[in-house]
Amino acid sequence: AQSVTQLDSHVSVSEGTPVLLRCNYSSSYSPSLFWYVQHPNKGLQLLLKYTSAATLVKGINGFEAEFKKSETSFHLTKPSAHMSDAAEYFCVVTGYGGATNKLIFGTGTLLAVQP
Amino acid sequence: GAGVSQSPRYKVAKRGQDVALRCDPISGHVSLFWYQQALGQGPEFLTYFQNEAQLDKSGLPSDRFFAERPEGSVSTLKIQRTQQEDSAVYLCASSPRPANEQFFGPGTRLTVL
Repeated sequence: AQSVTQLDSHVSVSEGTPVLLRCNYSSSYSPSLFWYVQHPNKGLQLLLKYTSAATLVKGINGFEAEFKKSETSFHLTKPSAHMSDAAEYFCVVTGYGGATNKLIFGTGTLLAVQP
Repeated sequence: GAGVSQSPRYKVAKRGQDVALRCDPISGHVSLFWYQQALGQGPEFLTYFQNEAQLDKSGLPSDRFFAERPEGSVSTLKIQRTQQEDSAVYLCASSPRPANEQFFGPGTRLTVL
């Protein structure tokens, strides 16, 4: 079965400093992995996705993630945090089986950005 | 263009009442998903439609939950005899084809008193 584990429920950084949100995955297949962001009272937005092409994936708003099979990790990074990055971030893997490409979400990491 | 819309945005129900939550997917999107997001948790899959066919309902927590998409566009999630544990945000997502990116609506926050 597919699953993801987000290692930190809360991360706090200062504006202008790097962001690291950690995610480990478990999958019986070559996985498709995603990061979604959820701002308060807004819908989930896709930041980036990995689908077995390049292991370093670049997304929107300066975020990127690196797929490391040996470590079963897919950590999200950004060189310099902005106040507008404060939100909840979800690491996601695609579930396989049946006729569904359902998404399996981690429990989320709440990112706070201090001025 | 218009994204996925959901209505109502907020719903308060007394325990035992029936509720109906609506999802308007992006026009032309074949796939439609429903997810349930409890407070402080990540969304969890409920059910999946490809056009009007409900191909996967393995995530529906009980037979009180029912979803339909009769014409392959708008979908309704119905919860009968609501219980307090049904309180959550219900998210709808659509995608152009089954393996494509899913676009999420803003959700309906259901509170059962």
